[in-house]
Order: sequence, then C-alpha cells, then structure tokens
Amino acid sequence: GAVVSQHPSRVICKSGTSVKIECRSLDFQATTMFWYRQFPKKSLMLMATSNEGSKATYEQGVEKDKFLINHASLTLSTLTVTSAHPEDSSFYICSAGGRDRGSGANVLTFGAGSRLTVL
Amino acid sequence: AQTVTQSQPEMSVQEAETVTLSCTYDTSESDYYLFWYKQPPSRQMILVIRQEAYKQQNATENRFSVNFQKAAKSFSLKISDSQLGDAAMYFCAYDDYGGSQGNLIFGKGTKLSVKP
Repeated sequence: GAVVSQHPSRVICKSGTSVKIECRSLDFQATTMFWYRQFPKKSLMLMATSNEGSKATYEQGVEKDKFLINHASLTLSTLTVTSAHPEDSSFYICSAGGRDRGSGANVLTFGAGSRLTVL
Repeated sequence: AQTVTQSQPEMSVQEAETVTLSCTYDTSESDYYLFWYKQPPSRQMILVIRQEAYKQQNATENRFSVNFQKAAKSFSLKISDSQLGDAAMYFCAYDDYGGSQGNLIFGKGTKLSVKP
C-alpha cells in the first residue's frame, strides 16, 4: 500500500531555533498533504493543509508565521517550526491522500510522526 | 459543526475474546465517511476500517467489523479474537470528502489493553 515517510522521528532543539520536518510520499504523488499536532494522550488536531505549488491552508488558531509549510513537489511537504519555544514541543504527524490499490478508495496514509522537544 | 465522540477512554479485553469500541458522531450531511484508526505505541497511525455512509452494509476487515447505525449516528468497532498486537489507541474519525482531503475530525480515542 501507500507509504508516507516522515523525518526526523525525533528532534531536540534549543528555544529560539527553527526545526524542519519532512513528509514524503514514497510510492505515490500527493497533491495534498496534511499536518497534524498531537498532544500527549490527546487526539490529532489538523493544523494545515499543504497544497502542491500553492500556499497552505491553515486551520483557525494556527499561526502561519510560526508553522511554515512548503509543498514544492508532488512527493514532499515540509513543516518548519520557526523560533521554537517549549510550548511548541509536541508530536507532529503528516498524512497524504492516495488511492488504495486494493479497493481503489481514497484513503489517508499517515507518516510515523515527529516528536519535537524544545528545551 | 461535525463532532465525534468516543465515550470510553479505556477498554480492556482478554486475549481471544471480543471487544466493542463505541463511537458516535454528529453531522447534518447525508454523505460522509467514517474511519477507525489504530495508533500503537510506535505512534504510527494505521487505518483499520472505513465505512461509506451511503452503504448500508457494515464494513469488515478480517477480525475487525463495524456496526454502522446511520439514523442513530453510531459507528462502533468490534474486534474479534483479540490479539496482543491489537493493544493500541483507537481513534474514530469522520470525513465529508472521502478521506483523502484530510479534513478528518477525530474522536478523543479509546485506549485498548489486551490481557494475555
């Protein structure tokens, strides 16, 4: 089935620095990718929709300048947490839409997530 | 706005037994999609099963099946012959657009423990 690779899986950074997380669709093209944030023992919250070749669409309450999203190709979207602070520490997950080869149905495939710790 | 409610924060089942996880949702749409996702300790979200609202037949995937009650807006997941590897967080999710649009609305999750 479809595979989404997310890197890095873990990152620790100092407060004030920027961190980039990559999300790649390995065996399919994804015109749209999605970024979620998951707090400990909580559900996933959609942060933004990443559109290839155009600006990302952010959910209400998500700071565009804090969470920069770039979707320069059909297989890669990046999330950059700028000037990170301890409150940005979280688990970030990406997903991409694709067609299931078995059923033909559109399904979301998730990356394995990236745990960001800001000291 | 659509909402998804999972009223069981935690559930436990004996290995080889059957367990049912509850999910209710609220929507004014007539055509939508419902999902159950599994998140094991590795944190990788895995699609367990998907149901299209226009299909009356309950979806099944091997040991996993759903009881979809559209009028009651209920979408429960039944896991038969539970295995140790089934232990995980299970999230019920709703989507208007077929799942590929990313506008998934997740429930708060149910933590399933499987006892040997």
